[in-house]
Amino acid sequence: GENVEQHPSTLSVQEGDSAVIKCTYSDSASNYFPWYKQELGKGPQLIIDIRSNVGEKKDQRIAVTLNKTAKHFSLHITETQPEDSAVYFCAASHYNNNDMRFGAGTRLTVKP
Amino acid sequence: NAGVTQTPKFQVLKTGQSMTLQCAQDMNHNSMYWYRQDPGMGLRLIYYSASEGTTDKGEVPNGYNVSRLNKREFSLRLESAAPSQTSVYFCASSERSGAGATNEKLFFGSGTQLSVL
Repeated sequence: GENVEQHPSTLSVQEGDSAVIKCTYSDSASNYFPWYKQELGKGPQLIIDIRSNVGEKKDQRIAVTLNKTAKHFSLHITETQPEDSAVYFCAASHYNNNDMRFGAGTRLTVKP
Repeated sequence: NAGVTQTPKFQVLKTGQSMTLQCAQDMNHNSMYWYRQDPGMGLRLIYYSASEGTTDKGEVPNGYNVSRLNKREFSLRLESAAPSQTSVYFCASSERSGAGATNEKLFFGSGTQLSVL
């Protein structure tokens, strides 16, 4: 089955700096790659996603890039703010099954 | 519009006790899921229901059973709790049905923190 690895496990940045979180996946048939943000005491919430027919997607300060050949995708957050502090999860899903696999998570801390 | 509602929020069990975690969604979604979240391991799928009346095993189904009571409700039962089942449990839903239902946005509940002593 699919295996998703996520790095780093913790990331600390100064407010205003950029943050990058990277994930790799093993199943070349995976075609949907979402990113979830989990704040303390809450469930994960989708912040951005990308499908395999697209190489990059942006939404204001957040962007995701996908390299299908290398089987890796990354989350980029620019101009970080304290409210960006949370745990971020990447995931990979195949169009023909229901077993979305998640990475282990990255705890991002943005220092004011 | 509450989204996905899970009860209870916290629970402590003794080894061997049984309990049922409840989940309901009000978005008219077709698919529902149960995940467990453990430190350093992300979220792992326990069971899912890709349409009303169907359930299937996920990555870590051992020790659990599920019931899709109707389109809104999907419960998770621990028949004989074990310390290895100490975890945070999340219910989720998605609009699509059938194969590939996770190929879109999942909506998560706020979780149940379960401790088995």
